[in-house]
Amino acid sequence: GENVEQHPSTLSVQEGDSAVIKCTYSDSASNYFPWYKQELGKGPQLIIDIRSNVGEKKDQRIAVTLNKTAKHFSLHITETQPEDSAVYFCAAVFSGTSYGKLTFGQGTILTVHP
Amino acid sequence: DTGVSQDPRHKITKRGQNVTFRCDPISEHNRLYWYRQTLGQGPEFLTYFQNEAQLEKSRLLSDRFSAERPKGSFSTLEIQRTEQGDSAMYLCASSPDRIATNEKLFFGSGTQLSVL
Repeated sequence: GENVEQHPSTLSVQEGDSAVIKCTYSDSASNYFPWYKQELGKGPQLIIDIRSNVGEKKDQRIAVTLNKTAKHFSLHITETQPEDSAVYFCAAVFSGTSYGKLTFGQGTILTVHP
Repeated sequence: DTGVSQDPRHKITKRGQNVTFRCDPISEHNRLYWYRQTLGQGPEFLTYFQNEAQLEKSRLLSDRFSAERPKGSFSTLEIQRTEQGDSAMYLCASSPDRIATNEKLFFGSGTQLSVL
């Protein structure tokens, strides 16, 4: 079935360091991979996404890479800041859907220490 | 505020009671979704509307759950005869109806349900 595995479950870094979160997915026909940031008491917020015809996408300090052959994608945050502390979720839209039916990973709690 | 609005933010109820949640999507978004999130987990898809039509329901949505979007604008999610296992955050999201952006979901802050 449709499945997304996310690692690590917790990640602690010092301010200014880089953080990397990895996800693997089960359906080789998946074509859309968003990343969401969720702060306490709030809903998930889309921070970056990538489609299967692209290998990498950057937006300021955030980048996402996609390896379709290995069926994994990663979130990279550079020059981390305390306000980056949150729970991050990867997700995938699996083949056969043309709308936002997302399967989410289990989440990564990122803590950035000042 | 032009984001997705959910009401109430918190709901505490006793087992067996009925509860109803409301979601107001971003005004120009035709697509509306309900997700459920339990502590320490990612959101799980429940159901999807395009305008007023409910086009898909997850197997997670038992017969006690019903969702409506009567005029293609706001939506309600009702849970009848609540059980303790229904305790979760119920998230509503919306997305535009345009190719290449219809998968970009904008989430509300959710309704936290606690069933005692």
